[in-house]
Amino acid sequence: AAGVIQSPRHLIKEKRETATLKCYPIPRHDTVYWYQQGPGQDPQFLISFYEKMQSDKGSIPDRFSAQQFSDYHSELNMSSLELGDSALYFCASSLDPTSGGRYEQYFGPGTRLTVT
Amino acid sequence: GDSVTQMEGPVTLSEEAFLTINCTYTATGYPSLFWYVQYPGEGLQLLLKATKADDKGSNKGFEATYRKETTSFHLEKGSVQVSDSAVYFCALTSMDSNYQLIWGAGTKLIIKP
Repeated sequence: AAGVIQSPRHLIKEKRETATLKCYPIPRHDTVYWYQQGPGQDPQFLISFYEKMQSDKGSIPDRFSAQQFSDYHSELNMSSLELGDSALYFCASSLDPTSGGRYEQYFGPGTRLTVT
Repeated sequence: GDSVTQMEGPVTLSEEAFLTINCTYTATGYPSLFWYVQYPGEGLQLLLKATKADDKGSNKGFEATYRKETTSFHLEKGSVQVSDSAVYFCALTSMDSNYQLIWGAGTKLIIKP
């Protein structure tokens, strides 16, 4: 079965550079979530989109922005990168979660971002 | 707000031992409950879920029952294998959390041969 695709899988950037992470949800999934996971930590919710509109916002820095496109893929744009941004970034997708919350989130393999 | 508490790790067991990882939650509504597993160097995989009270989720020999009276969703497996070594996360979603996943801190499981 098709899974969530993330690219790139690994990314090395220097401080103050920009990075763009991409996420391709499972076909027919209309909701995308972005999470950040530091070493040994649980994932921290950043932002989510439903039907191309931002649906919720978590602990996403102002330096980051994201959007969902007409084909439902999403991009997370990160500017003025800091050393503390080094982490695993996961994208997850689901069907409409407002349908009683029955629809689970499926995660991609993640993008490991290293800021030097 | 909603929250999830799970037992601290690491949990170290011998192969074929019985596993329990405790998970309790606080939620004002009627959450859906999940266990995710993260193998070393890999992403998060949905292990099992339960969407209403008394539901039992099961997968790959793991089970968890949604207990509303004790607000718990403990993960169990009758006989663990070395390949079960991973970090296990308990999580919930609810209308109150706007359906974002609320995570427990994760429990690292180490199975020794």
